[in-house]
Amino acid sequence: AQKVTQAQTEISVVEKEDVTLDCVYETRDTTYYLFWYKQPPSGELVFLIRRNSFDEQNEISGRYSWNFQKSTSSFNFTITASQVVDSAVYFCALSEAGGSTLGRLYFGRGTQLTVWP
Amino acid sequence: DTAVSQTPKYLVTQMGNDKSIKCEQNLGHDTMYWYKQDSKKFLKIMFSYNNKELIINETVPNRFSPKSPDKAHLNLHINSLELGDSAVYFCASSQQGFEDTEAFFGQGTRLTVV
Repeated sequence: AQKVTQAQTEISVVEKEDVTLDCVYETRDTTYYLFWYKQPPSGELVFLIRRNSFDEQNEISGRYSWNFQKSTSSFNFTITASQVVDSAVYFCALSEAGGSTLGRLYFGRGTQLTVWP
Repeated sequence: DTAVSQTPKYLVTQMGNDKSIKCEQNLGHDTMYWYKQDSKKFLKIMFSYNNKELIINETVPNRFSPKSPDKAHLNLHINSLELGDSAVYFCASSQQGFEDTEAFFGQGTRLTVV
């Protein structure tokens, strides 16, 4: 079973629009970590945020914000006033704190975001 | 300074050849990983090492053999390359302990088998 689901395969918006990327996760662990990574066209994986399961506070960093809701097992990512440079594939990922998994990341299949000028 | 560096960035080779990808991290992390990204961009773990010890081996063919000479290096050797091995391979590192850190990724190695 997929531990991380990103239902949106592709999203297209016009510059300055707000866009939300959805992420739903599944785990039986009580301690876990959630991540978002960005993969621009150049191909590298850029870390955006890490959240542990005990911290449900939403976070804002500039135009980026994250909404973590344990009740719905979701960790959604919103870009406000999107820009062309935001065009990338965005991955949500889960890491379980159990000893045998040792930090391995379970990735969603990614959402390709295209921002048009 | 590059935190996680892997070489080469591009690798084109013929079927049946043996090739290696090198990875080094200067973050002082104790855990290193290899991930494979397929043509549909799906990222999946292959191996992880903690302090030179193999921890995760995720149903990867025996033709793939990771080697960790020390905790700052995790190389990937692939024997008898097949067309299906074409993918982007990412090395990563993280610190595992009381509170896990995020994984830092190398820039990826695009392997093309022809």
